[in-house]
Amino acid sequence: KAGVTQTPRYLIKTRGQQVTLSCSPISGHRSVSWYQQTPGQGLQFLFEYFSETQRNKGNFPGRFSGRQFSNSRSEMNVSTLELGDSALYLCASGLAGGGTDTQYFGPGTRLTVL
Amino acid sequence: AQRVTQPEKLLSVFKGAPVELKCNYSYSGSPELFWYVQYSRQRLQLLLRHISRESIKGFTADLNKGETSFHLKKPFAQEEDSAMYYCAPNPTQGGSEKLVFGKGTKLTVNP
Repeated sequence: KAGVTQTPRYLIKTRGQQVTLSCSPISGHRSVSWYQQTPGQGLQFLFEYFSETQRNKGNFPGRFSGRQFSNSRSEMNVSTLELGDSALYLCASGLAGGGTDTQYFGPGTRLTVL
Repeated sequence: AQRVTQPEKLLSVFKGAPVELKCNYSYSGSPELFWYVQYSRQRLQLLLRHISRESIKGFTADLNKGETSFHLKKPFAQEEDSAMYYCAPNPTQGGSEKLVFGKGTKLTVNP
């Protein structure tokens, strides 16, 4: 099976702009989770989608949003970018989601905000 | 509130030495426990999970419910074990809780 894919791999934006990141899960996986990874904070959970519904949400401002499509592909959007949003954004898919599910991670999208 | 602590940000050992990466958690209920690993220039991947009780690449992890710890151990470290390790105690309430990873421990195994 093909692994989790994320596009684009690298992005450079300026403050105030918005950005959309895309994630294609492993075929058959219905859960997609998003994480922000930074050297100081490690992996921080953003949100999880399952069958097109947001099931869990982390402690991030409303500028961070996401959605999931009927084919389980997911997008994450960040509006009004700030310098502190520079990070590696990881997407992970799972069969059923939730705490008992193994997460399969994508390579990440490296976002740099100037 | 759910909390997971990996007290060592950095851990350095010599090849052949035993290694222990610590993980302490604070959860209501009984979480499922995972260790994930990220090798250089590779994606984050599952190393092992408690429920499987497997030994992967020589690593094992013992759950200590009394101390609420899930330390990762290997008796003889190898240079290829150098990587970033994340502990992830995750709730088992079936999708109603947030997923939490520790901040990670960077293991360096010196020749």
